[in-house]
Amino acid sequence: AQSVTQLGSHVSVSEGALVLLRCNYSSSVPPYLFWYVQYPNQGLQLLLKYTTGATLVKGINGFEAEFKKSETSFHLTKPSAHMSDAAEYFCAVSGNTGNQFYFGTGTSLTVIP
Amino acid sequence: DVKVTQSSRYLVKRTGEKVFLECVQDMDHENMFWYRQDPGLGLRLIYFSYDVKMKEKGDIPEGYSVSREKKERFSLILESASTNQTSMYLCASRAGLAGVRDTQYFGPGTRLTVL
Repeated sequence: AQSVTQLGSHVSVSEGALVLLRCNYSSSVPPYLFWYVQYPNQGLQLLLKYTTGATLVKGINGFEAEFKKSETSFHLTKPSAHMSDAAEYFCAVSGNTGNQFYFGTGTSLTVIP
Repeated sequence: DVKVTQSSRYLVKRTGEKVFLECVQDMDHENMFWYRQDPGLGLRLIYFSYDVKMKEKGDIPEGYSVSREKKERFSLILESASTNQTSMYLCASRAGLAGVRDTQYFGPGTRLTVL
């Protein structure tokens, strides 16, 4: 079975500071991992995903995430926060069969001017 | 451009009413999903469909049913709405060729309030 834990339901950073959003997963098979962003009153939009290959994955809007199998982690980072990054971020995992994604409970990012 | 649309952004219904939430995708995707999103609980899968007329229960199907008569359309039905079904409902679709590696594309959501 797969599951996802996002540490910190609320994260605040200053504009220009490093963004680090944490995601740990549990999976009995090699996982596929995703980060989605949800802006206020909108649906979810894919930021990036890891399926196979390079463990450092680059996404849209300057975000990246690194798959660390030994730590069962897939943390999301951005070197310099922008006001427009304020949103809810969801980590998700799926196995290599079946149809389901398993989402974390989300992390709300606030960017302080 | 990829598009998933949902029939309403905001909906207010009364307890006991039958409620239909409609979702349409224009990407010819095989798979479609209905989630509900609640604060602190993230997204929870209600039902999904991997083909026309095919459906499978997700994690929280109680109180819901679904219909998929055409490939592009997936409907969520609340047979008798209750206040604990007040939530944000998100529809998603995904191609079937690469399985779960494919991206799920989400609609804008329907915020349902049941009074």
